Amino acid sequence: DTAVSQTPKYLVTQMGNDKSIKCEQNLGHDTMYWYKQDSKKFLKIMFSYNNKELIINETVPNRFSPKSPDKAHLNLHINSLELGDSAVYFCASSRGRDEQYFGPGTRLTVT
Amino acid sequence: EDQVTQSPEALRLQEGESSSLNCSYTVSGLRGLFWYRQDPGKGPEFLFTLYSAGEEKEKERLKATLTKKESFLHITAPKPEDSATYLCAVTSPNAGGTSYGKLTFGQGTILTVHP
Repeated sequence: DTAVSQTPKYLVTQMGNDKSIKCEQNLGHDTMYWYKQDSKKFLKIMFSYNNKELIINETVPNRFSPKSPDKAHLNLHINSLELGDSAVYFCASSRGRDEQYFGPGTRLTVT
Repeated sequence: EDQVTQSPEALRLQEGESSSLNCSYTVSGLRGLFWYRQDPGKGPEFLFTLYSAGEEKEKERLKATLTKKESFLHITAPKPEDSATYLCAVTSPNAGGTSYGKLTFGQGTILTVHP
């Protein structure tokens, strides 16, 4: 009965590789988000989608590309991974601008 | 740009020792202030939303309050299971359009409750 799920939970890869993280929510929400949490535990928004439309696109390298095939899914594809991309990535969802519910996170380690 | 500052960065309490966490914010109008709890290795868990000054919300040993400049999370008679990082976040009315739903988070307060 997981509300917001992400796969994989851990991702270890080498510099230069391309990887994807998947997110699904079963809450019936219309808005989904990607956040990055750095080593200091600071959470910062990267993207948001409302009804499959990209709304927020913060200052994120264009190596990061979100894709929303439907309102329940939001994936994050990362090209040419760099050491600085190592972090925990969280997916979240909400009904409009109400409280957001977060997934368990994906810990990405780039070596 | 919205800013959120939480204090203290870390707080150690003995079981049963009540205390408060602070969240100071600067926004061009406040639409909502959110409190989350985050356990190690997990995603933030929603606790409360506060919308206007004077509003208060309670859940078990936690009580959140809001003024025009800050919010407090009061913890009454804490237990070891209350140990976690507590995050505060804000969203403003201006967070519409290309900032729709944008939450600005503070850096969090790490709470440790010793038995």
